[in-house]
Amino acid sequence: DGGITQSPKYLFRKEGQNVTLSCEQNLNHDAMYWYRQDPGQGLRLIYYSQIVNDFQKGDIAEGYSVSREKKESFPLTVTSAQKNPTAFYLCASIPGGPGTGELFFGEGSRLTVL
Amino acid sequence: AQSVTQLGSHVSVSEGALVLLRCNYSSSVPPYLFWYVQYPNQGLQLLLKYTTGATLVKGINGFEAEFKKSETSFHLTKPSAHMSDAAEYFCAVARSGGYQKVTFGTGTKLQVIP
Repeated sequence: DGGITQSPKYLFRKEGQNVTLSCEQNLNHDAMYWYRQDPGQGLRLIYYSQIVNDFQKGDIAEGYSVSREKKESFPLTVTSAQKNPTAFYLCASIPGGPGTGELFFGEGSRLTVL
Repeated sequence: AQSVTQLGSHVSVSEGALVLLRCNYSSSVPPYLFWYVQYPNQGLQLLLKYTTGATLVKGINGFEAEFKKSETSFHLTKPSAHMSDAAEYFCAVARSGGYQKVTFGTGTKLQVIP
């Protein structure tokens, strides 16, 4: 079945360590997105990528980095510069071309920094 | 610029009662509007969407929403709540055409009381 796979589902890290969250899709979608979710704040856009080897900052990009070397993969690194990294992270994708904006989501990764 | 306001972060209804979740949007161009549902520790799933055409949109699980341009609203309703409807619901808006930057509301948690 086609879909978006995020891993790991749960991750614990010590303060000051970089962590990388994986996002893989087999939907053949061009655009991919990373959102951060905190209680009561909805979803906030971290980074998005419309095509391979290109990506743009979203609303809260500071302390995060991404790469898009393959169409299927869009990993997110939470760096030690991110002041409050504990959150639920969601990866999503949209089909290419003029579309309806419907996002397809992965199951999420919950990061806890101790 | 676009934005979404969801009135009420928590809504409680009795099983079998009407569900009404409120959403107002702001957009400088004709919008695409969405409702997503999220169960605990999972990704978001599309309930329904409005792009063009009929303003009353039917979605999955018996939900529907009506696009009212004059009121800039897109409220979500279901005639009879079921216990399985307990979840968090997000309203979202996107610009029509092209790659989308989707803006989410802060979410409404629906509790269904037996």
